[in-house]
Amino acid sequence: ETGVTQSPTHLIKTRGQQVTLRCSSQSGHNTVSWYQQALGQGPQFIFQYYREEENGRGNFPPRFSGLQFPNYSSELNVNALELDDSALYLCASSQGGGLEQFFGPGTRLTVL
Amino acid sequence: GQQVMQIPQYQHVQEGEDFTTYCNSSTTLSNIQWYKQRPGGHPVFLIQLVKSGEVKKQKRLTFQFGEAKKNSSLHITATQTTDVGTYFCAGLGVGSGNTGKLIFGQGTTLQVKP
Repeated sequence: ETGVTQSPTHLIKTRGQQVTLRCSSQSGHNTVSWYQQALGQGPQFIFQYYREEENGRGNFPPRFSGLQFPNYSSELNVNALELDDSALYLCASSQGGGLEQFFGPGTRLTVL
Repeated sequence: GQQVMQIPQYQHVQEGEDFTTYCNSSTTLSNIQWYKQRPGGHPVFLIQLVKSGEVKKQKRLTFQFGEAKKNSSLHITATQTTDVGTYFCAGLGVGSGNTGKLIFGQGTTLQVKP
């Protein structure tokens, strides 16, 4: 059984650019959630996907969007990057919306 | 919107001392989960509490969920250096508007001096 994987590990972008982050869920999991974790803070819920549909969204602007694919892997897209978007982006998979989350190692995004 | 507050933010203890972190939600929760994040790592699930007044134990760790389902605590007895890390509570709100929204507290960072 493979765990949650994320790519890339690190990414450096400049303000105004666009970025796509990828996540492969753990085998048997149909739900993927994305979180933004700033340094010294708790993870902030961005959104959740269940069976390819958005299943809940946090207080993030529309330039944060996502997709879930038939194999339950997922992408997080961020347009028009801002300096404050610099953070660790965590993906977590689960067998349902409110259940135990299995986190991936994260993607460290730096916006210059 | 729903907020989850956690105190203290930092705790330094001598190895062998006890440690407690407290979590309070602005709204009633469907369930509460606890996670541990080691420095440079990602959050790892510890436990989920669902019932009002529920108490669960994992070896030296004791988790409680308040009667009103708005607060929770994690108590570690006789801390060890392996307990070092940041402990997060995360609450799931009730109602269809909170579907999937797991709201994390700011975390309590535990340092243990050997």
